[in-house]
Amino acid sequence: EDKVVQSPLSLVVHEGDTVTLNCSYEVTNFRSLLWYKQEKKAPTFLFMLTSSGIEKKSGRLSSILDKKELFSILNITATQTGDSAIYLCAVFTSGTYKYIFGTGTRLKVLA
Amino acid sequence: GAVVSQHPSRVICKSGTSVKIECRSLDFQATTMFWYRQFPKKSLMLMATSNEGSKATYEQGVEKDKFLINHASLTLSTLTVTSAHPEDSSFYICSAAPTREEQYFGPGTRLTVL
Repeated sequence: EDKVVQSPLSLVVHEGDTVTLNCSYEVTNFRSLLWYKQEKKAPTFLFMLTSSGIEKKSGRLSSILDKKELFSILNITATQTGDSAIYLCAVFTSGTYKYIFGTGTRLKVLA
Repeated sequence: GAVVSQHPSRVICKSGTSVKIECRSLDFQATTMFWYRQFPKKSLMLMATSNEGSKATYEQGVEKDKFLINHASLTLSTLTVTSAHPEDSSFYICSAAPTREEQYFGPGTRLTVL
């Protein structure tokens, strides 16, 4: 059965800290891995990763995929209170052409 | 671009009534739309995949007669929760896919069944 697991489940840090969120997967027919940020409503897109070893960056956020070890990390540097959210990882599989979401990591950044 | 709307954003209804939720892609056509359910502090659970002009594909454990999905056009899909019960209370999110690998999420609908 296809599975996506995120760790940690929750995390509390102080402003300015750097955090690393993990996403591991076991799926057949992997196509891409996506990271989303969810605040009070629906998830907003952060990154889509398809190739191993190529870092994607957007401001203080960056992400990388390791297709050999079947995981991805999302880094947030110099965290701010506005980074507090649930971060979701999803894997897109060909064959079924659907997204499988991980459990999510709840991040809280304290002022 | 790539805006998806959902209506209503919040609904409260009595047990036994039916509730319809609309999902629209506002500035693109989506041959496929997805319906998810999210319980408090949990991740998104895919309920069904909706393809324009054909029957929806439901995930295992999701009752198709309970959750009716209609994808009438390339910009509109509806989810009807029939004979709603308190255990159907949840956050329902749709997403629309202009291509197979892109998904854009709607803002979600919070359903409370009394």
